[in-house]
Amino acid sequence: EIQLQESGPGLVKPSQSLSLTCSVTGYTITSGYDWSWIRKFPGNKMEWMGYISYSGSTNYNPSLKSRISITRDTSKNQFFLQLNSVTTEDTATYYCAPLTGGSLFDYWGQGVMVTVSS
Amino acid sequence: DIQMTQSPASLSASLGETVTIECRASEDIYNGLAWYQQKPGKSPQLLIYNANSLHTGVPSRFSGSGSGTQYSLKINSLQSEDVASYFCQQYYDYPTFGSGTKLEIK
Repeated sequence: EIQLQESGPGLVKPSQSLSLTCSVTGYTITSGYDWSWIRKFPGNKMEWMGYISYSGSTNYNPSLKSRISITRDTSKNQFFLQLNSVTTEDTATYYCAPLTGGSLFDYWGQGVMVTVSS
Repeated sequence: DIQMTQSPASLSASLGETVTIECRASEDIYNGLAWYQQKPGKSPQLLIYNANSLHTGVPSRFSGSGSGTQYSLKINSLQSEDVASYFCQQYYDYPTFGSGTKLEIK
């Protein structure tokens, strides 16, 4: 079974970059799927941020395109999120999840809460 | 992007009751709709996909229906373990989510 674990700083200062890691076990990220980042804001709104595909191509939510980068380390079976120029509005719980067949999220990490504050 | 409008925002019902949660898409999503359950402190879990297909292991008291722009999730015979937030997600275009419904037991 696919298991995912997010990690990274829980506190980021405004204007800095947010960097998170998703470690995947039970499946090789180069075998298939689109490896996504999703965030849930206080108040429950959820936003798909983007993905890196099994082949290494990326696709981002247009609302974040200028600030986001998703990369990977295939040797470690990890993928990464970098979000630049953060503001308090980027405070959220960040999840990693693969987009499986049919564009569904049927495996999720436990999530990591990130607060943007000075 | 496709906007998903979900209602109600919160819902309180008694054990054994039937509840319905609705999602409306800003354009036709051709049944490209999923429903998720998120219990407090846990990650979301897929319940329904393709608007009306039950995901593996999900109890049959959950069902989905709809077409075009209007979709609904029904929970029959409400159980205490159904206390959770529920949200819809369309995948006709890049994924977007409803705003969620918090379900409580009266």
